[in-house]
Amino acid sequence: NAGVTQTPKFQVLKTGQSMTLQCAQDMNHEYMSWYRQDPGMGLRLIHYSVGAGITDQGEVPNGYNVSRSTTEDFPLRLLSAAPSQTSVYFCASRVTGRTDTQYFGPGTRLTVL
Amino acid sequence: RKEVEQDPGPFNVPEGATVAFNCTYSNSASQSFFWYRQDCRKEPKLLMSVYSSGNEDGRFTAQLNRASQYISLLIRDSKLSDSATYLCVVKWVLTGNQFYFGTGTSLTVIP
Repeated sequence: NAGVTQTPKFQVLKTGQSMTLQCAQDMNHEYMSWYRQDPGMGLRLIHYSVGAGITDQGEVPNGYNVSRSTTEDFPLRLLSAAPSQTSVYFCASRVTGRTDTQYFGPGTRLTVL
Repeated sequence: RKEVEQDPGPFNVPEGATVAFNCTYSNSASQSFFWYRQDCRKEPKLLMSVYSSGNEDGRFTAQLNRASQYISLLIRDSKLSDSATYLCVVKWVLTGNQFYFGTGTSLTVIP
């Protein structure tokens, strides 16, 4: 199993550009989520999905869209990039249950100029 | 007010030392508790879950005090490979089982 994969690893955007961060998992996990990690802030939840066709907002959803057409894929779209979206983005998946272990992808380092 | 608060450190300890990290959480309805480890520029990985009765995994011991709303992690006989950032994580049932992360405590084990 590859686990959780993310692409790209690094990205530089100009203000106003749009892009999609890709996330895929091969563990058949129902629950997937996107976080951003900023210095001094900890990881913050952007959007999450409890299964194909179902998404919901997390703590910091503004400026981001998601969709979940398959169990495996959960892309994150930046509609119009802003410097405040410079961050490290992590995708995670988990199976709900007693342990609730989350598996994270390797992250995407995004810089918006 | 942050939902989960940790002392950011850094903690610099010699090999073989015992070190303890504490974490406090704001919502008494928090359901599940975890410690994650994050190496520099890498993704977080689960270190251990924290149970009400306390639990141990080798050199690592986690404790939960629901009355005081704090969680602790004790590392005994520190190794160089323990150098990392340790994230305290809580899950809240009332917010759709979302996870809330502390900012992390940085540990460096010195030879």
